[in-house]
Formats: sequence, C-alpha cells, structure tokens
Amino acid sequence: GENVEQHPSTLSVQEGDSAVIKCTYSDSASNYFPWYKQELGKRPQLIIDIRSNVGEKKDQRIAVTLNKTAKHFSLHITETQPEDSAVYFCAVKRPSGTASKLTFGTGTRLQVTL
Amino acid sequence: DAGVTQSPTHLIKTRGQHVTLRCSPISGHKSVSWYQQVLGQGPQFIFQYYEKEERGRGNFPDRFSARQFPNYSSELNVNALLLGDSALYLCASSSPLAGRNTDTQYFGPGTRLTVL
Repeated sequence: GENVEQHPSTLSVQEGDSAVIKCTYSDSASNYFPWYKQELGKRPQLIIDIRSNVGEKKDQRIAVTLNKTAKHFSLHITETQPEDSAVYFCAVKRPSGTASKLTFGTGTRLQVTL
Repeated sequence: DAGVTQSPTHLIKTRGQHVTLRCSPISGHKSVSWYQQVLGQGPQFIFQYYEKEERGRGNFPDRFSARQFPNYSSELNVNALLLGDSALYLCASSSPLAGRNTDTQYFGPGTRLTVL
C-alpha cells in the first residue's frame, strides 16, 4: 500500500521566518496531494492542495511544490505568525474511480515563537 | 453553509461494548469517508461510502462496519470495543465527479471515543 513519510516531526521557528515541511510517497500513481492544518482539539482543515499536473501552487503565505519524479512534495509557509502554530499533515491520493482514500503522513508540529 | 457535522462529540464506553457514530456530509456531497486518528498520529482510513455503496475499506477488523443512508448521512459502528479503539473518529465528505479522481475532502469535528 501507499506509504507517506513526513519530516520533520517537530519544527520551531521565530515569528516572521519561513517554515518548510517535506513529504515523500511511494506510489507513483498518486495524483492528488493536500495539506491539512490541525489545531489542538480541532478538525483537520485543508489549507492547500496540488494536483499532479501542476508543479507549484501558491496561496498568499502558503505554497506547495511537487516533484513527481522524486516523489516528494513540500509545504512552504513564509512570514510565519503565532497563529500558524499547529500540527500539519500531508496526504496523498491515487486515482481510483470514485474512491476517496487519503493516506496521511505522520504530522509535523509547528511552533512559531515570538 | 453548514459543514460536515458529527455526533456525539465525546463518548465514553467500556471494553466489550459497541458504539455508533454519526456523520452528516456537506449538502450536495454524496461521499462520506471515515478515519481513525489516534493521539499523535495522522488519520487512518477506515471506510468510504459513495452513493450508499462501500467504495473502499482500510485495514481494520470486521468489528468495524459502516453504512450510508439515502440522505447521504452515515453511521460507523464498532463492536466489542477494545482499549486500542480509543481515538478521534473523523468523518470527511466530498463530491467526487465522474472521471475526476482528485476530489477535495472536508472533515467534520470528530467524535472523541474513550474506551475504559
């Protein structure tokens, strides 16, 4: 089955610095790569996603890059703010009709310090 | 515009009991997926239902079952509860389009199940 590795497991940055989280996946057929942010006790919230026909996508301070050849994708957060502190999960999905299974990484706990 | 809703929010059970968790998808969404999130880990896929049919099953024992109703809401049932079943159970809804395999999934707030 699909295997997703996520690094680092914890990340501490100062406010205003950038944060980068990386994920690698095993199934080359995977074609959808979302990132979720989960605050303590809350639901995972989709913050950005990318499809396999695109190499990079940006939304304000958040960007995702995809390298299909190397089977890895990364989340970039610029100008970090304290409210960015949360656990971030990457996920992958392979094409399979109307099936919607997401395979998640193990999560990165991001702490933005003042 | 209501998001995904789940009930109950919290539940405490003892070993051997059974539990039923409920999920209502976003209006118009026909697919519901269930995930188990153990503390400190990422969500693990349990089931997906689309148009009332099971479309996917994760690596969970037969004690776990689910169904989807004509209004697209869903129930997750777990029998013979074990201590290890303690987790946050998340429901996600999506609207997969024919020929498009990249539907976005939106999560509900989850049901926190504690098994004593």
